Formats: sequence, C-alpha cells, structure tokens
Amino acid sequence: DGGITQSPKYLFRKEGQNVTLSCEQNLNHDAMYWYRQDPGQGLRLIYYSQIVNDFQKGDIAEGYSVSREKKESFPLTVTSAQKNPTAFYLCASSTGDGYTFGSGTRLTVV
Amino acid sequence: GENVEQHPSTLSVQEGDSAVIKCTYSDSASNYFPWYKQELGKGPQLIIDIRSNVGEKKDQRIAVTLNKTAKHFSLHITETQPEDSAVYFCAAKYYGNNRLAFGKGNQVVVIP
Repeated sequence: DGGITQSPKYLFRKEGQNVTLSCEQNLNHDAMYWYRQDPGQGLRLIYYSQIVNDFQKGDIAEGYSVSREKKESFPLTVTSAQKNPTAFYLCASSTGDGYTFGSGTRLTVV
Repeated sequence: GENVEQHPSTLSVQEGDSAVIKCTYSDSASNYFPWYKQELGKGPQLIIDIRSNVGEKKDQRIAVTLNKTAKHFSLHITETQPEDSAVYFCAAKYYGNNRLAFGKGNQVVVIP
C-alpha cells in the first residue's frame, strides 16, 4: 500500500546534539513538507520541497535543515541551534491539492 | 498570503448532537478547502474537501458547506459519536500554489 512513513515514532536526544528525522513516501508525490506541532499552536511550516534537489524555508526554519536528494525522501535535521526542539514533527506529501500526512515523530530533548 | 481562521477553538457536544466548526479565509482566489481530523498522537487525516465550484458536499455523517461571498466554509458533523472526538483542521489553497494554509485547529469533545 502507498503511504508516507516517519521514523522513529519517539526520539530522545541530549541538548546540544543534532538529530535527523526520517520521512519516506511511496506515493510518487512531487511535493513534501515538514511541520512542527506544539500544544495549542496548530501546524507550523518548517521547510517544504516542490521538487527533487530544491527546497524552501517555511515560517519557522531557524535551527532546522533539510535535503531532497530523492523524490521519496525528505529528512529533517534538528540542529543544536534550535532553541526549543521538543515537539511533535509531522511530514506530509502532495501531488496537487490535499496533503497526505505521516504519523509523526515526537522528539524530546533533555 | 492566505490566512485561515477557525472558530471556536474548543467545542463540546453531547453524543448524538450535531457539531459545527466554521473557518474563514482571506484570499478570494482560494479554490480548494480540505478538512483534516487528527486523533491524539497521530497525523492528520483528510476527511472531506470541497472546491470553489461547489456549495456543499456530504459524506455520511459529515458535510462541508462553502460560502464564497462571505469567504467562509464550515464542517458539519451529525449524530456525533465518541470516536468523533479529535482535533479538526481546516485549510485553504488557491490555484497555482501547492501550499495549504491551515487554521489553528478545533478540539471537539463528544460527551457520552
């Protein structure tokens, strides 16, 4: 079955360490997105990519980096420069109108 | 860019009653309006959507209505059940832009 997979579901890291969240889709979607979700904050766009080897900053890109070397993959790195990295991270993909979301990764930095 | 607002932020309803969530959008060029349901600890799932050339769309107990003149669209859930308890997000997109603008979400609580 086609879908979008985020791994791992839960991730713990020490403060000051970089961490990479995985997002893989087999839907043949061109566009992919990363969102951050905090309680009561809704969905905030971190980065998005409309096509392979191209990506743009979203509304809260500071402290994050991405790559899009393959159509299927859009990994997100949370760097030590991100001041409040503990959050629920959602990846999504799209081929036109609606988005298909992954099940999310809950990152906790201690 | 597009700005989407949702009201109310939290809605509690008795099981069996109806729930209505309203969203307003700012860009009159927007032509696609999806609704997503997010259960606790999971990713949002598309439950229904509507395009600007349609005024209403139904799918069993859920329906969406669109008023282009007033620039608002609403989600209607009839005969609510406990499994309808979730956060609901509305979104809007205009032609030529692949990005959805999301509202902040509504917490719907169905009281048994």
